[in-house]
Amino acid sequence: EVKLLESGGGLVQPGGSMRLSCAASGFTFTDFYMNWIRQPAGKAPEWLGFIRNKANGYTTEYNPSVKGRFTISRDNTQNMLYLQMNTLRAEDTATYYCARRYFDFWGPGTMVTVSS
Amino acid sequence: DIQMTQSPSFLSASVGDRVTINCKASQNINKYLNWYQQKLGEAPKRLIYNTNNLQTGIPSRFSGSGSGTDYTLTISSLQPEDFATYFCLQHNSFPLTFGSGTKLEIK
Repeated sequence: EVKLLESGGGLVQPGGSMRLSCAASGFTFTDFYMNWIRQPAGKAPEWLGFIRNKANGYTTEYNPSVKGRFTISRDNTQNMLYLQMNTLRAEDTATYYCARRYFDFWGPGTMVTVSS
Repeated sequence: DIQMTQSPSFLSASVGDRVTINCKASQNINKYLNWYQQKLGEAPKRLIYNTNNLQTGIPSRFSGSGSGTDYTLTISSLQPEDFATYFCLQHNSFPLTFGSGTKLEIK
């Protein structure tokens, strides 16, 4: 059974940093691109970026809205996906989800609140 | 960026009704269009991928169609569990973009 579980969310001050994690199980992690998506309360989701699979060299693509502030990485030995978020702003407040390549499986999400 | 214009934003319907939800892309997305259902407090669930392919385990009352810039999700006979918010997602071009959502409510 495919499972994805995000962690690491919480309250952070504006200008701060936070790293989110996504634990994957039930599939061959290295075969899949992995996405990060966020969704502010009551609004549509926003794709943040993905990291490609082993066959495609684990390269990354980002939404220009977060490029340069957010970094996606993965630890293939631990089946973990990460999202490093820097210089956080109030508008980054959202629920953050990881999802597999074609958005077929999503985790339950972790909430990030950026506030002083 | 490709803009996804989703309509309607709100839809009030009754159990048994046939409903359609539309997404219009600002340019051709070559049928790379998925549909999602989201209930309060839950992650989105994929219903349809690449325009008209039904996700495993999703009831056949859900169907998708379209091409070019215009896409439609149809629910043939609404069931009580279908009242939720629906989103489209284009995955043809970066950045991938979602529609603004349709909230389907009970009349």
